[in-house]
Amino acid sequence: GENVEQHPSTLSVQEGDSAVIKCTYSDSASNYFPWYKQELGKRPQLIIDIRSNVGEKKDQRIAVTLNKTAKHFSLHITETQPEDSAVYFCAASPTGTASKLTFGTGTRLQVTL
Amino acid sequence: NAGVTQTPKFRVLKTGQSMTLLCAQDMNHEYMYWYRQDPGMGLRLIHYSVGEGTTAKGEVPDGYNVSRLKKQNFLLGLESAAPSQTSVYFCASSYSPREGRYNEQFFGPGTRLTVL
Repeated sequence: GENVEQHPSTLSVQEGDSAVIKCTYSDSASNYFPWYKQELGKRPQLIIDIRSNVGEKKDQRIAVTLNKTAKHFSLHITETQPEDSAVYFCAASPTGTASKLTFGTGTRLQVTL
Repeated sequence: NAGVTQTPKFRVLKTGQSMTLLCAQDMNHEYMYWYRQDPGMGLRLIHYSVGEGTTAKGEVPDGYNVSRLKKQNFLLGLESAAPSQTSVYFCASSYSPREGRYNEQFFGPGTRLTVL
């Protein structure tokens, strides 16, 4: 089955700096890669996703890049703000949709003032 | 719309006791999932369902059973609880791939279970 590795497990940045979280996957059939954000005590929520036919996708301060050859994808957050503090999960699916997701182990992002 | 709801929110069990967690969704989603979340281990899939009356095993199914008698409900049962099942349990739902609609798993608020 699919195996998704996520690094780093914790990340601390100063407000205004950029943050990068990286994930690798093992199954070459995976073709859909979402990112979920989970604030403390809350449920995970989708923040951005990318499909295998696209190399990069941007939504305001967040962007995701995908390298299918190397089997890795990354989340980039620019101009970080305190409200970006949360746990971020990457995931991969072979169905092209949100079904059958395999999640990474999460990255705790702390944005300090 | 309430989205995805879970009951109960918290529960404490003694080893060997049984319980059922209820998940309900009002988005007419075909697919439903049960995950457990443990520190440092992310979200691990326990069981999932691709439609009413169907269930399938996920990554960590041992010690759990599920049922999907109605499309909107997905039940997770623990027959004989063990301390290793202490965790936060999340239910989620999504459209099926063939529906070609918005691709997101919508999560419930979670159930915090402690087994003593």
